[in-house]
Amino acid sequence: EAQVTQNPRYLITVTGKKLTVTCSQNMNHEYMSWYRQDPGLGLRQIYYSMNVEVTDKGDVPEGYKVSRKEKRNFPLILESPSPNQTSLYFCASSRTGGYGYTFGSGTRLTVV
Amino acid sequence: AQTVTQSQPEMSVQEAETVTLSCTYDTSENNYYLFWYKQPPSRQMILVIRQEAYKQQNATENRFSVNFQKAAKSFSLKISDSQLGDTAMYFCAFMKQGAGNNNDMRFGAGTRLTVKP
Repeated sequence: EAQVTQNPRYLITVTGKKLTVTCSQNMNHEYMSWYRQDPGLGLRQIYYSMNVEVTDKGDVPEGYKVSRKEKRNFPLILESPSPNQTSLYFCASSRTGGYGYTFGSGTRLTVV
Repeated sequence: AQTVTQSQPEMSVQEAETVTLSCTYDTSENNYYLFWYKQPPSRQMILVIRQEAYKQQNATENRFSVNFQKAAKSFSLKISDSQLGDTAMYFCAFMKQGAGNNNDMRFGAGTRLTVKP
């Protein structure tokens, strides 16, 4: 089944404790992105990647890191999480041509 | 920068009736794509329908259809014969066409639709 798999589904952590949210896609898509969803704001892009070793900032990159060492994987790293990073996070992938993103099932992150 | 506006935070409709969700966007681009995504309580983001801006014909997918008005920069979603399973948050989204863009989809704030039995 074609899908984007992200883990964990829920995560509660404390301020300053480094964490990684994993993301993997099995569709051989070139593009991958991370979005965060907040009430009243819709989804906003954090980082994106056009291909292996090519990543760049989206609209809200502060406090986040990403890497793309393999085409299928695109982990999101929070080196020192803060409470304002409490949010619902989505990983997504797409092929070229404006076909839209296929989304993972989301990670609900709470930073206390 | 492109912006997407969904002016209806919440809507409700009776089962089997028709409902229209509004979306407007702001862009100086001529070529782009528009989307509607559905997010049910499971929070999975599901692509409902996609429209290419250069196509004048409105996209349809079963009970879902759009009214795309390029000059007015409007992209509304019509759901016919509403079903209880249509209860969800609906997001309108915009994506530029062409090389060099960051493949960013710009999302509206969403409309929460409740289908009542």
